[in-house]
Amino acid sequence: DAKTTQPPSMDCAEGRAANLPCNHSTISGNEYVYWYRQIHSQGPQYIIHGLKNNETNEMASLIITEDRKSSTLILPHATLRDTAVYYCIVGPASYDKVIFGPGTSLSVIP
Amino acid sequence: EAQVTQNPRYLITVTGKKLTVTCSQNMNHEYMSWYRQDPGLGLRQIYYSMNVEVTDKGDVPEGYKVSRKEKRNFPLILESPSPNQTSLYFCASSWGLAGQQFFGPGTRLTVL
Repeated sequence: DAKTTQPPSMDCAEGRAANLPCNHSTISGNEYVYWYRQIHSQGPQYIIHGLKNNETNEMASLIITEDRKSSTLILPHATLRDTAVYYCIVGPASYDKVIFGPGTSLSVIP
Repeated sequence: EAQVTQNPRYLITVTGKKLTVTCSQNMNHEYMSWYRQDPGLGLRQIYYSMNVEVTDKGDVPEGYKVSRKEKRNFPLILESPSPNQTSLYFCASSWGLAGQQFFGPGTRLTVL
């Protein structure tokens, strides 16, 4: 079973920030939080990952709570092209099995 | 260009006819993996490989075989395909962290 829970769907107005939550209450100390997105049936695209600290790159920001039991992916200015399914996964620090959950279907509305 | 390639992209076959889906990456990644994606079931890992000659089962390995004879290639073999293996298949690779994967474009397989 997936180690994460996410809302099945969310809407966001174009130009506004999209905040996608993820719960991972059973995360262990050496596990990272990763975010991916998948547009239609294309291959999932890696977005960002973090261990303890908040992270930012050109695509998004990742906020991880101090207890590491939840995180939020922030798309600062959502566009129509950000409409996709977003997956939050908890992954190993080394080479091991990876489990995806059902993700959140984000719809960016004009 | 760094990429993961899969072939074929689309395949229609019949029950019992052995097939191989190839996967190749040009990033010198150690970790490679195969997933299948079905409506309502999400992405499920079939097999993964930590390096040449080292493979392990994911969540849904039944009916599939893999091999890792070279670092860049990780073919998925269906010895006797069945209709319940009709799915969208993705290959992925990574280096350093198994969770930070680059995915291929997908192979849509239909088994009649």
